[in-house]
Amino acid sequence: DVVMTQTPVSLSVSLGGQVSISCRSSQSLVHNNGNTYLSWYLQKPGQSPQLLIYKVSNRFSGISDRFSGSGSGTDFTLKISRVEPDDLGVYYCGQGTQYPRTFGGGTKLELK
Amino acid sequence: EVQLVESGEGLVQPGSSMKLSCVASGFTFSNYGMNWIRQAPKKGLEWIALIYYDSSSKYYADSVKGRFTISRDNSKNTLYLEMNSLRSEDTAMYYCAKQDGPAFDYWGQGVMVTVSS
Repeated sequence: DVVMTQTPVSLSVSLGGQVSISCRSSQSLVHNNGNTYLSWYLQKPGQSPQLLIYKVSNRFSGISDRFSGSGSGTDFTLKISRVEPDDLGVYYCGQGTQYPRTFGGGTKLELK
Repeated sequence: EVQLVESGEGLVQPGSSMKLSCVASGFTFSNYGMNWIRQAPKKGLEWIALIYYDSSSKYYADSVKGRFTISRDNSKNTLYLEMNSLRSEDTAMYYCAKQDGPAFDYWGQGVMVTVSS
């Protein structure tokens, strides 16, 4: 199975600040078709997860351009700029290149 | 508006069975793969099963293979998860999630399954 490792486990940020979350996979996430299926999800307190980013850097419908994804192969990053109160929660990366699908352990974003 | 509404929540004893349902609306259900993903209390996300849009292929996590069965009825816009031989470690919130490419673009609100004697 592809192991997804997220760092840090938790992050404190001031409103208006910028943060980066790292996600590393144990194997390359480049699919045979050339696509890299790495997604980012946010689970706000008491809610279901929601899709933010798919295929490394594509923002899902309605997602602010304050969220940006980058990376390749086995190393990926989610950046959040101008952090707002609604951004708080747990962020997960997930891979869709191999079965079983796997997620990182999560990064909790809190207010400083 | 895409909506996924799970049902079937409950408390069951170890070794028993349970069936979850997920009713979809707001999109053409028969065109998309569907997944079940669970989250144990205070834990992270665990993908457990996928069914193709036409039921032609199904995939399972090793943790549930042979005990859980994913199915769908496209005429009813409904996804199912039949769970047998339940264990305490199956206690979790269970989400159904629509698939677009290999990303999970919409999630239901989740149903809680508790396995305890």
